[in-house]
Parts: sequence; structure tokens; C-alpha cells
Amino acid sequence: AQSVTQLGSHVSVSEGALVLLRCNYSSSVPPYLFWYVQYPNQGLQLLLKYTTGATLVKGINGFEAEFKKSETSFHLTKPSAHMSDAAEYFCAVSDTGGFKTIFGAGTRLFVKA
Amino acid sequence: SQTIHQWPATLVQPVGSPLSLECTVEGTSNPNLYWYRQAAGRGLQLLFYSVGIGQISSEVPQNLSASRPQDRQFILSSKKLLLSDSGFYLCAWNPIQVGRNEQYFGPGTRLTVT
Repeated sequence: AQSVTQLGSHVSVSEGALVLLRCNYSSSVPPYLFWYVQYPNQGLQLLLKYTTGATLVKGINGFEAEFKKSETSFHLTKPSAHMSDAAEYFCAVSDTGGFKTIFGAGTRLFVKA
Repeated sequence: SQTIHQWPATLVQPVGSPLSLECTVEGTSNPNLYWYRQAAGRGLQLLFYSVGIGQISSEVPQNLSASRPQDRQFILSSKKLLLSDSGFYLCAWNPIQVGRNEQYFGPGTRLTVT
């Protein structure tokens, strides 16, 4: 069975500071990993994904994540936070079959001016 | 390009009334389709998924049902709504392609049961 744990339901950073959102996964097979972003009253939007190959994955809006198999982690980072980054972020895992994706509980990011 | 539509955008219904939410996808064929519910301040709960017309898998026992009458149409229904059915309902699809496990979400329907 697969699972995802997002550490911290709320993260607050100052504008211009580093953003780090933590995600750990559990999977008995090689995982596909994702980060999604959700703005208020909207659907989720794919930020980035890891399938195979390069472990450092770059996504939209300046975000990136690194797949670390030894740590079973897929943390999301952005060097400099912008006010527009305030949203909820979901880490997710699926297997190669792809029928189902397991989502973490989400981390709400607050950006202070 | 592919787009996904959901309607209505918002809905207020009394307890015990029926429900029908519709989701359609354009620009792709034979997608996997999904219904999720997101309760206030909580993550996503997978309700149903479908890998083809008439093929529905239920993830959570409840008073909701789903149907897929056409390849790119997915409908969520209930005969009698409960207060606990309130939430944000999201439809999603993903292509049946190797390495394309990401899901694409619709704009959602905000359901309030009163």
C-alpha cells in the first residue's frame, strides 16, 4: 500500500524567504510522485512530477523537488517566496498502474509581507 | 488541448433532496475519470473512479453513486443528501499513457447541504 505524509499542516514564510514543504512517502514499488497546488475555491493544478530519471525535478512558478529514495522523501522548495505562492500544496504518490493517486493531507502556505 | 468542466459551480440543497453533479472532459479519448470530495480544511477523499464507459469503482461506502454514460462524461449522484455530504467536489482525469499518471482537475463544485 502507498501513503503520503506531509509534515506541517501550516507553514508561514516571509516574502523573499526560502519555501520548504516536506513530504515523505511509503511505497512498495517504484513510485511516481507529484506536487499539486490549490488556490481558494479552485481545483488542483499540477506543479511538478517525478516518474523516472533525474531526481531533481523542476516545475512551474519556480518550484522544484528532489526525489530521495534513501529518505523516502520528495520535499518541495522555492528559493524566494512570493505573495502569490500563498495556497495549499498537496504531495501525492501513485504506482505505475496509475489508476489511483494517494494524496497527502495538504500544507497551507502563508506568505507574509 | 484538453479541458475539464464541472457544473454547477455552487449548489445549496436541503437534506433529503437528490443530487446530480456533472463532469465532462474535452480534447482526449478514453480517459480515467475520478470524483473526489474535499471537506473543509481536509485533504482529498477519492470517492469513485472509472476506467471506461459503465465501469465504476467505489472507494468509500456512502449514499453517493457515480455513472459514466459516455466516454468523457462522469456523473455523481445521490438520491437523498445528508448534512455530511457538504463539501467541495472535484472531478479529475488522467490519460492512459505510460508515464502520464498525473491528474488534471476541474474547477470543482461547492455543495452545501442545509
